[in-house]
Amino acid sequence: SSELTQDPAVSVALGQTVRITCQGDSLRSHYASWYQQKPGQAPLLVIYGENYRLSGIPDRFSGSTSGNTASLTITGAQAEDEAAYYCSSRDSSGSQLVVFGGGTKVTVL
Amino acid sequence: QLQLQESGPGLLKPSETLSLTCTVSGGSISSTNYFWGWIRQAPGKGLEWIGSIHYSGSTYYNSSLKSRVTISVDTSKNQFSLKLTSVTAADTAVYFCANMPGGDFWGQGTLVTVSS
Repeated sequence: SSELTQDPAVSVALGQTVRITCQGDSLRSHYASWYQQKPGQAPLLVIYGENYRLSGIPDRFSGSTSGNTASLTITGAQAEDEAAYYCSSRDSSGSQLVVFGGGTKVTVL
Repeated sequence: QLQLQESGPGLLKPSETLSLTCTVSGGSISSTNYFWGWIRQAPGKGLEWIGSIHYSGSTYYNSSLKSRVTISVDTSKNQFSLKLTSVTAADTAVYFCANMPGGDFWGQGTLVTVSS
């Protein structure tokens, strides 16, 4: 089965830009979805497909893919963006199998 | 706007079977082309996909759990369910239901603790 690899943690100064990456073979054939999760809450879908934001998600969130690496960029990070971010994609087998990355904790300084 | 709600026992003993149900409201579970899935999160850990089902009955399971997992759907009740057999402490987690793949709609999650 596929695996998705994320850095465990990253920090960003308030108002600056941070990029979170997700690596895996499945990303060569399937787009990543990105979820934001705050403590005690269910994950919230922020980016899906080529670079689509769920309704209500600020436009400072954007997604991109290059080869086997997907990226989530927060341009002008705000204090409320401090959270864990998880990437996910369908398995490289092409079925409805799903895989999640290990998550990246974003700290806004 | 779809809403999902998990329900089921919160405390199990080792070797018992975990049974959870997800009730979908705000739309019919069989009127969309969604797959309906279960995801869990052990305390302080990341998200783990358990499996998904289509209302037609097609199922897909995480290979690491496949031998212990059954996901079923009841379109008459607009529900889908999870059974996980022979639980151990390692199965202690918050269990979420969601449309998966997709991920637009999630339940709030329910904590299941396995302890003797």
